[in-house]
Amino acid sequence: QEQLVESGGGLVKPGGSLRLSCVASGFTFSDYYMSWVRQAPGKGLEWISYISSGGDTIYSADSMKGRFTISRDNTKNSLYLQMNSLRAEDTAVYYCARRSTFDVWGQGTMVTVSS
Amino acid sequence: ETVVTQTPLSLSVTPGQPASISCKSSQSLLHSDGKTYLYWYLQKPGRSPQLLIYEVSTRFSGVPDRFSGSGSGTDFTLKISRVEAEDVGVYYCMQSVQLPPYTFGQGTKLEIK
Repeated sequence: QEQLVESGGGLVKPGGSLRLSCVASGFTFSDYYMSWVRQAPGKGLEWISYISSGGDTIYSADSMKGRFTISRDNTKNSLYLQMNSLRAEDTAVYYCARRSTFDVWGQGTMVTVSS
Repeated sequence: ETVVTQTPLSLSVTPGQPASISCKSSQSLLHSDGKTYLYWYLQKPGRSPQLLIYEVSTRFSGVPDRFSGSGSGTDFTLKISRVEAEDVGVYYCMQSVQLPPYTFGQGTKLEIK
């Protein structure tokens, strides 16, 4: 079945970096644009970034622009989120989601930013 | 940025009774292509969000017909005709008419009495 599996989360110190991955299966990954969405503990959903199917169009939330970079490798059915200059407020579960409808979600990967 | 506001923020409903959640946007969600880009999601406890309704009123595959969406322009509603125990969780509306960003409502927590 159609599935997204995130990985790469963990504990990182403020100012550090992490690269999250999302591997797709059960559908033709290269046909779909993709997004990252996050959820801080006990809080609501916050969209981070979007990338078109071919990777040529990217949109990002202003609050994360310049620190977070979305990318994809269609040969590996993979979506990525490079996160730099991490702050305590970036602590959250990070989800990848398919299309603008967000019709398929991964299980999420937890990122904790703490010294 | 289009702001999306949900009410109420919490709801306690007896099984078998109806429930309704409102979602209001700061700008019209009607796109020039004629579609209205308003979505509803349910996040069950400990789970990832799941799509319930897209483009205001179309139920996603597998979503029970007790869920319905309505509205236009800036005012939208999600209705559950008869709440069941499995419907507990947090409901979010989201708009994608104007990117960036996609914006979500604050969420409405539904619990069973």
